[in-house]
Amino acid sequence: AQSVTQPDIHITVSEGASLELRCNYSYGATPYLFWYVQSPGQGLQLLLKYFSGDTLVQGIKGFEAEFKRSQSSFNLRKPSVHWSDAAEYFCAVGGSMEYGNKLVFGAGTILRVKS
Amino acid sequence: DGGITQSPKYLFRKEGQNVTLSCEQNLNHDAMYWYRQDPGQGLRLIYYSQIVNDFQKGDIAEGYSVSREKKESFPLTVTSAQKNPTAFYLCASSSGTGIYEQYFGPGTRLTVT
Repeated sequence: AQSVTQPDIHITVSEGASLELRCNYSYGATPYLFWYVQSPGQGLQLLLKYFSGDTLVQGIKGFEAEFKRSQSSFNLRKPSVHWSDAAEYFCAVGGSMEYGNKLVFGAGTILRVKS
Repeated sequence: DGGITQSPKYLFRKEGQNVTLSCEQNLNHDAMYWYRQDPGQGLRLIYYSQIVNDFQKGDIAEGYSVSREKKESFPLTVTSAQKNPTAFYLCASSSGTGIYEQYFGPGTRLTVT
């Protein structure tokens, strides 16, 4: 079965500091991987996605993520965090027709930014 | 502007009543999804539909029902059989029946007392 683990429930970083949010997945074949962001009481916005090719993908708002097959990871990074980045971040995996092409989401990481 | 609309934003119901949450998209997407979100649990799939007049159960379909009579609409009914219906409900759509990114609506917060 496909699954996603986001080990950190909460992360606090100072404004201007770098950020890395961890995501590990369990999947039997080449996964399709996504990062979404959610502000309180809002829907989810797609930050970036990995389907194939270059393992370092760039997204919106200055975010990037690196796919590491050997570690089953797809960590999200940003070199300098802004106060407006405070939100909840979700990693998701999908791609198997066996599972109806559905996405499976991690439990989320809440990012707090301190000034 | 293209997008997904969910109405209402907040919904209050008494226990024992059925309630229907609306989801409409004008993105011309084939697939639509309903998720339930509870604090600390991420998103859990309730139902999904890859084509009009067809839908499949997700991981937590018990106590819910859906219909897909039009491509742009995918309403979700929370029935009285759902034991713990208070939650944030998110609707999403994607452009195909393979793996494509999903686009989300703003959500409906349902409170049942």
